[in-house]
Amino acid sequence: EDQVTQSPEALRLQEGESSSLNCSYTVSGLRGLFWYRQDPGKGPEFLFTLYSAGEEKEKERLKATLTKKESFLHITAPKPEDSATYLCAVPEQGAQKLVFGQGTRLTINP
Amino acid sequence: ETGVTQTPRHLVMGMTNKKSLKCEQHLGHNAMYWYKQSAKKPLELMFVYNFKEQTENNSVPSRFSPECPNSSHLFLHLHTLQPEDSALYLCASSQEALAGGSEQFFGPGTRLTVL
Repeated sequence: EDQVTQSPEALRLQEGESSSLNCSYTVSGLRGLFWYRQDPGKGPEFLFTLYSAGEEKEKERLKATLTKKESFLHITAPKPEDSATYLCAVPEQGAQKLVFGQGTRLTINP
Repeated sequence: ETGVTQTPRHLVMGMTNKKSLKCEQHLGHNAMYWYKQSAKKPLELMFVYNFKEQTENNSVPSRFSPECPNSSHLFLHLHTLQPEDSALYLCASSQEALAGGSEQFFGPGTRLTVL
C-alpha cells in the first residue's frame, strides 16, 4: 500500500531559525510529489511539484528537494506568517487519487 | 471569481436534514474532486470526476451523493448524516485526473457540523 509519512508532526521555531520538514513515501513509479500549505480552516494552497530525484524548487523562504525515498521542505529564516500546516502528497500507483501525509504543523514565534 | 469557490462556508445540519454543498472552478480544468478532512487525520479522497464522469468512489457511504453537471461545477448532496460526518469538506480541481500527476487546486472548504 502506498504511504506518505511526514515528520515531525509539529515544529516550533523562533523567527529566523531555519529548519527542514520531511516527507517520506513508499510508492513505485513516482509520478510527482506535491507540497501544499494549509492555514487553519482553509483549503490547501499549492506550493510545489517535484518529479525526479535531484530536482529542487524554490519560492521565497521555501525550498523543496526530492530524493528517491523522500522530500524535504527547507525553510530559511522563517517569519511568523510562515506558520501553517505543510502537507505533502503523491499520486497512488495505478489510481486517480493523491495520498496525503498527515502534515507538519509549523509555528514560527516572533 | 477566481480559482475554486465553495458554498456554503459553514453548515450545521441535523441528522434528518438534506443539504447540498456546491463547488465551482474557474480554472478551465477537466477534473474535480471531493475530499474530507477530519481533525488529526490526513486528507481523505471521496470522489473523482474526470470530464464529468465519475472515475473514483473511495468506498464512500451512500448518504453522500455527488453530482457533476459540467466540468466547472460539482455538488455533494447530503442526507441522513451521522455526527461522525462532521468535518471540513474540500473541493479541488486539476487539468485532468492525475494521468500525469497534475497539480490539484483546492477551494476554501465547507465546515460541516452534524448535530
